[in-house]
Amino acid sequence: GDSVTQMEGPVTLSEEAFLTINCTYTATGYPSLFWYVQYPGEGLQLLLKATKADDKGSNKGFEATYRKETTSFHLEKGSVQVSDSAVYFCALSEGGSQGNLIFGKGTKLSVKP
Amino acid sequence: DSGVTQTPKHLITATGQRVTLRCSPRSGDLSVYWYQQSLDQGLQFLIQYYNGEERAKGNILERFSAQQFPDLHSELNLSSLELGDSALYFCASSLSSDTQYFGPGTRLTVL
Repeated sequence: GDSVTQMEGPVTLSEEAFLTINCTYTATGYPSLFWYVQYPGEGLQLLLKATKADDKGSNKGFEATYRKETTSFHLEKGSVQVSDSAVYFCALSEGGSQGNLIFGKGTKLSVKP
Repeated sequence: DSGVTQTPKHLITATGQRVTLRCSPRSGDLSVYWYQQSLDQGLQFLIQYYNGEERAKGNILERFSAQQFPDLHSELNLSSLELGDSALYFCASSLSSDTQYFGPGTRLTVL
């Protein structure tokens, strides 16, 4: 079945460092790909998405490119802030009549001042 | 604020009991999804409803059931509760089957 694998955390960075969180997927069709963020004590917020190969999703300085050839959707940010400390989830959806999300295990990011 | 509301925020109950979690989707969204987040299993899809009808089922136990009402709000019923059912339960809604918006969750503690 479909699955998402993302790098194990936790990841600890200093403020203004470069961030990469790796995400790869396995899917039978052509899924949409998502990054969700969960701040402490809160629900999940959609960070960005891409719906087809070579699409780049971006939001709040975060970017991810849908790479069909490597089945990847790595999350990047050029300069992290303390306020970016959260858990980041990569997810896919096959869409259509069954749009449920399949999540990776999450990567906890801590940014130190 | 995603526009999805869930009640209650916290729920503490005992083994063997039954509880009901409630979700109100964003205005105009027809699909409601339920997810369970636990430390050992991560985020898992439970069930989806679309405009009152069950659309898809995931890893939902037989002790769990859900429904979506004519006003589109949804309830997740958990019965014969076990310690292992302690988790965060999220509801999400969407207009299309693409982008889902999540509620703040209900934290269930079974003692």
